[in-house]
Amino acid sequence: TQLLEQSPQFLSIQEGENLTVYCNSSSVFSSLQWYRQEPGEGPVLLVTVVTGGEVKKLKRLTFQFGDARKDSSLHITAAQPGDTGLYLCAGSYNTNAGKSTFGDGTTLTVKP
Amino acid sequence: EADIYQTPRYLVIGTGKKITLECSQTMGHDKMYWYQQDPGMELHLIHYSYGVNSTEKGDLSSESTVSRIRTEHFPLTLESARPSHTSQYLCASSESGRVRGYTFGSGTRLTVV
Repeated sequence: TQLLEQSPQFLSIQEGENLTVYCNSSSVFSSLQWYRQEPGEGPVLLVTVVTGGEVKKLKRLTFQFGDARKDSSLHITAAQPGDTGLYLCAGSYNTNAGKSTFGDGTTLTVKP
Repeated sequence: EADIYQTPRYLVIGTGKKITLECSQTMGHDKMYWYQQDPGMELHLIHYSYGVNSTEKGDLSSESTVSRIRTEHFPLTLESARPSHTSQYLCASSESGRVRGYTFGSGTRLTVV
């Protein structure tokens, strides 16, 4: 059973289009992270959200944490080929265990 | 400039060989992790450590072992490699306390023939 489900699993769009990736769970998280991973490399942290309803912006990327802290979304405006990669969400619980649960990923391809 | 280093980046070895994948970080992080990932797929936690002399098995059963003798070093060892161990292995670290995100290494791509 996948604790964190991402949708869509694959997304192929043209440069300049907008897109939204979703990360859903039945569990409540104390914080949630989004990462981007390029082929052959490790994931790179994009953002951490901790408060229900929180919205964070990183240039053309907008991240939102659901009010109940069970889900999150990543919206990209005017996508560019450099946005291509595997996007992973990860949720953490409010313990000192320090373990994150990762979603199953969304593979984004932006065509020039 | 990377703050967490993994070596080797690529490794091709024969079945039955013993191998050690190296991971070192310079950030003084107490928590370190090993994940296994097939290309384009989700990450599976195989080992983690809260600090020196602390190691735990993760969610995915693994035939590998780890050690944490120094804060900065968290090597992973396979005593007898098999083709089923072929995968990418990612090392990560994080600060103490509530999770604010991991710093990942570039990974080791292991192929067992």
